[in-house]
Amino acid sequence: QSALTQPPSASGSPGQSVTISCTGTSSDVGRYDQVSWFQHHPGKAPKLIIYEVSKRPSGVPDRFSGSKSGNTASLTVSGLQPDDEADYFCNSYAGVISFFYVFGTGTRLAVL
Amino acid sequence: EVQLVQSGAEVKEAGESLKISCKGSGYTFLNYWIGWVRQVRGRGLEWMGMIHPTDSDVRYSLLFQGHITISVDKFTDSAYLQWNSLRASDNGLYFCVRHAGSSWPLSLDLWGPGTRVSVSA
Repeated sequence: QSALTQPPSASGSPGQSVTISCTGTSSDVGRYDQVSWFQHHPGKAPKLIIYEVSKRPSGVPDRFSGSKSGNTASLTVSGLQPDDEADYFCNSYAGVISFFYVFGTGTRLAVL
Repeated sequence: EVQLVQSGAEVKEAGESLKISCKGSGYTFLNYWIGWVRQVRGRGLEWMGMIHPTDSDVRYSLLFQGHITISVDKFTDSAYLQWNSLRASDNGLYFCVRHAGSSWPLSLDLWGPGTRVSVSA
C-alpha cells in the first residue's frame, strides 16, 4: 500500500496563503474524484475540511480550497490564521481491489 | 453534538485478545458505514475496513483481512474492532471513522479522537 506523497512541512505568516500538494498515482488520485483533506490538531479528532476534491463541508471557511490536476491534488489555505497551525493530510479512494482508501504522508503547517 | 466516542487506551501483551469500541451520537447511526483507520509512526495512516450497521456488511483492506474483525451493535450505536491474537506490529493509534456520501465512493467525514493500543512483545 503506497502512501500519497505530501511535503513534510509548510509555513506562512498570518494573512498569507500556502498550498500543500498530495501526489498519488493514476490508480488513486488520478482516477477518482474522491480526494479529501483533513486538519488534525494532535490529540484531537481529525476534521474534514475538503471532500470530493474541492467541496467544503458546512462550517468550513472558504479560506480552505482544494483542486486536482492529474495525479496531484492540492489544498490552499488563504488568509492564514494562528489556529490553522496543525497537521494536514490528504486521502483518496483507491478502488475495491486494492486497499479502498490511501492517505497522504502528512504536512505540518506552521503559522509563523 | 455529532461525534464518535472511542474507548480508552489499552496496554496488552502479544498473543492476547482485544476489542475496542466506538459509539456514534448526534446522528442516525444506521445510515452510515463506519470503519477504522490505523496510524503508526513510520507508516502513516492506513484504512482497515468498514461495516454497515443495518446488515453488518463488512469490507476489509487486503492489508488487515484475516487478522482483525470489525463488528457493530445497531442497538447501542456502537462499532468494534477486535483482535484474537495481538502482535507487536499492532501498536498504534486507532481512529473510528464515519463514511458518508450520496454515492460510491464515500468520504471519511467524521473521526473519533483515537484509541491508543500498546502491545509488548
